Amino acid sequence: LAKTTQPISMDSYEGQEVNITCSHNNIATNDYITWYQQFPSQGPRFIIQGYKTKVTNEVASLFIPADRKSSTLSLPRVSLSDTAVYYCLVGVRGGKLSFGAGTTVTVRA
Amino acid sequence: KAGVTQTPRYLIKTRGQQVTLSCSPISGHRSVSWYQQTPGQGLQFLFEYFSETQRNKGNFPGRFSGRQFSNSRSEMNVSTLELGDSALYLCASSLLVGQGHEQYFGPGTRLTVT
Repeated sequence: LAKTTQPISMDSYEGQEVNITCSHNNIATNDYITWYQQFPSQGPRFIIQGYKTKVTNEVASLFIPADRKSSTLSLPRVSLSDTAVYYCLVGVRGGKLSFGAGTTVTVRA
Repeated sequence: KAGVTQTPRYLIKTRGQQVTLSCSPISGHRSVSWYQQTPGQGLQFLFEYFSETQRNKGNFPGRFSGRQFSNSRSEMNVSTLELGDSALYLCASSLLVGQGHEQYFGPGTRLTVT
């Protein structure tokens, strides 16, 4: 399983864009990059998944450079309700995934 | 469409007892995965079931077991409970086998072992 490294925590203010970078130097050819969001006392929620270049949905964007050794989750114009833990996972679609420690994002007014 | 449901939501057990947790996946989902979440170890994968067969397993002792029924509902069992088993147990369902596919998590069962 490709190991991932992401910041332990990040602070931001309402209305700002938050970018969380995840390093995955040992990513394999068939691996996808997936991000989940988790609020306290709730299960994680799928945010976005990508393989290369850029993926965008109604919630976030995922930027993946050509070498795929890192990826950046971008949350546009965050609000207080975006305060949560964000997990970066790497693995094949039919395989096992490991959740790391995640990044605790705190949005302040 | 109803989400993943888990019962019970909270449970208090004593060391040495056993416990059974239940998970009902989203209708149409055939894959169910179980995770343990603790403050110290984070989210750890326990096992995955698909079409009543265990497809993947994490690094947990044999005290942790599970099964899946023909309607895709799943149960996990922990025998001879230890204090360290206190955790939030999360169930996730997906259409296809493998956690690499989009998973939908339930609210979890908070187990406290005293």
